[in-house]
Amino acid sequence: DTGVSQNPRHKITKRGQNVTFRCDPISEHNRLYWYRQTLGQGPEFLTYFQNEAQLEKSRLLSDRFSAERPKGSFSTLEIQRTEQGDSAMYLCASSSSRISGDTQYFGPGTRLTVL
Amino acid sequence: EDQVTQSPEALRLQEGESSSLNCSYTVSGLRGLFWYRQDPGKGPEFLFTLYSAGEEKEKERLKATLTKKESFLHITAPKPEDSATYLCAVQRNSGYSTLTFGKGTMLLVSP
Repeated sequence: DTGVSQNPRHKITKRGQNVTFRCDPISEHNRLYWYRQTLGQGPEFLTYFQNEAQLEKSRLLSDRFSAERPKGSFSTLEIQRTEQGDSAMYLCASSSSRISGDTQYFGPGTRLTVL
Repeated sequence: EDQVTQSPEALRLQEGESSSLNCSYTVSGLRGLFWYRQDPGKGPEFLFTLYSAGEEKEKERLKATLTKKESFLHITAPKPEDSATYLCAVQRNSGYSTLTFGKGTMLLVSP
């Protein structure tokens, strides 16, 4: 399967703990995005990478959130000192500026539950 | 600020009963309008991209159309396997290529 993969698929944590999610984009896609989706809502943009550079961050992204994309390949999203309001599905998407009309293809998501 | 409004929020159809979903948008310069399908607990699955008013695209029982202010997703003779949430998103032609999504329309097709 050459689609976007995300790990873990589910994460349950206690309030105040740190969590880290991983996203592996479609190979050769140079753009990578993180979105967050809560029940009954559409995905909301969090942050965007082109290659290894983080070019845009939403104002939704508090200083407890940090994302990296070392070497322009996989990406990690870390949430420090989790809060119950962080409970959501975290979606990763990738696209190529050179092919497929820059269409974003999504992974299966990581569902975070903060107790 | 870009805005996307989808209606209805939920739609229940009988198998074979055709209908349309609406996506109204406000964006300062549209690069593309995207339709995705999302099954429960899964990530959105890409369906169509529309770039200019008057454009239409089809895939099996689905047809997407675009005007300057809205897009429609027409579902012809739906089957139970078409049951899902359908998401509409816009991408502006300035800045970076992030998407602004609507809340989606939850479609249930009964046999």
